[in-house]
Amino acid sequence: EVQLVESGGGLVQPGQSLRLSCSASGFTFDDYAMHWVRQAPGKGLEWVSGISGNSGIVGSADSVKGRFTSSRDNAKKTLYLQMNNLMPEDTALYYCAKALRTGRTDPFDYWGPGTLVTVS
Amino acid sequence: EIVLTQSPATLSLSPGERATLSCRASQGVGTYFAWYQQKRGQAPRLLIYDAFNRASGIPARFSGSGSGTDFTLTISSLEPEDSAIYYCQQRSHWATFGQGTRVEVK
Repeated sequence: EVQLVESGGGLVQPGQSLRLSCSASGFTFDDYAMHWVRQAPGKGLEWVSGISGNSGIVGSADSVKGRFTSSRDNAKKTLYLQMNNLMPEDTALYYCAKALRTGRTDPFDYWGPGTLVTVS
Repeated sequence: EIVLTQSPATLSLSPGERATLSCRASQGVGTYFAWYQQKRGQAPRLLIYDAFNRASGIPARFSGSGSGTDFTLTISSLEPEDSAIYYCQQRSHWATFGQGTRVEVK
């Protein structure tokens, strides 16, 4: 059974940094691209960042470019999101999500329950 | 950045009725397109991928169509459990989501 579990969220002040983790199990982790998607309270979904299975390709949304970046440790089956210079508008529930197939832009077939980041 | 615009914002229908949700992309995305359902307090669930393929375990009443810039999600006969927010997503260049359509089944 595929499982994704995020951790590392919390309350931080503007300008501070935070690193989120997503622990994966139940599938061959390094075969699949992984992504971060966030949802501000009462708002819609926003793709944040994605990374290919071998870490060769990493992308980020314009809203976080230069501040957030994804990385992964395939040996530990863990995805990370390094968030620097956090702003109040980054307050959201952060989900990690697995790509359906091996393509880096494939849709997301499994999602974790999310971890809440509050910047205030 | 590719912008997705969903319509309508809200749809209120009765059980057994047909729901038609639309999504328009600011530029062509081929069939690199998906639909998700999100119920209150839950993570999103993949419904449709590659514009018209149902994801695993998704009931046949959900169907997708379209290509290029205009896409449609149809729920042929609404069930009460279909009350949710539905999001479209393009994956032509990484990913972006539409703003969502809320479907209320009363």
